[in-house]
Amino acid sequence: QKEVEQNSGPLSVPEGAIASLNCTYSDRGSQSFFWYRQYSGKSPELIMSIYSNGDKEDGRFTAQLNKASQYVSLLIRDSQPSDSATYLCAVNMGGGADGLTFGKGTHLIIQP
Amino acid sequence: GAVVSQHPSWVICKSGTSVKIECRSLDFQATTMFWYRQFPKQSLMLMATSNEGSKATYEQGVEKDKFLINHASLTLSTLTVTSAHPEDSSFYICSAKGQLNTGELFFGEGSRLTVL
Repeated sequence: QKEVEQNSGPLSVPEGAIASLNCTYSDRGSQSFFWYRQYSGKSPELIMSIYSNGDKEDGRFTAQLNKASQYVSLLIRDSQPSDSATYLCAVNMGGGADGLTFGKGTHLIIQP
Repeated sequence: GAVVSQHPSWVICKSGTSVKIECRSLDFQATTMFWYRQFPKQSLMLMATSNEGSKATYEQGVEKDKFLINHASLTLSTLTVTSAHPEDSSFYICSAKGQLNTGELFFGEGSRLTVL
């Protein structure tokens, strides 16, 4: 069973602080990793993608990947109330036309 | 970026009726589209992979005769929920890969189905 694990939360972070979201995956051969943000009642929107070990930064967001540990994380700096949402970790565990496997998501709350 | 449009955004139907949901790629051609279902406070579960010009590939546990998928063109895939029942009430979301083939998926707006 190919799985993507996330802590469901809620994770509560003060405004302006760093929010740290974590994800582990079961398929060691996975190559593509994504973080999506989903507001209640809406469809997911892509925040970050990462394909190689290390850090990738985009504005206030930093994705970190460690394939040896099968671990991917998302850091949000200077958290804003508008960042409050559910963050879904997604992994491409197959080749070709396979869809993504999603974690259950972490509910993030930024406290003003 | 790649834009995926889904219609209708919400639908209410009576038990036993069928409902069709459309998914269109607006600015690119999508040979493959994916249909997901999401129940409240749950993650997205892949239902099926829709391939243009061929039969869809269904995930284990998804009834192909109940969830009919048609991908007749490079820009349109449809999901028909046949003989809908209250337990089929859910948020259905389609997605497609972009043309750069980086593995990321672009999602439609989603369709919320309520079966009475």
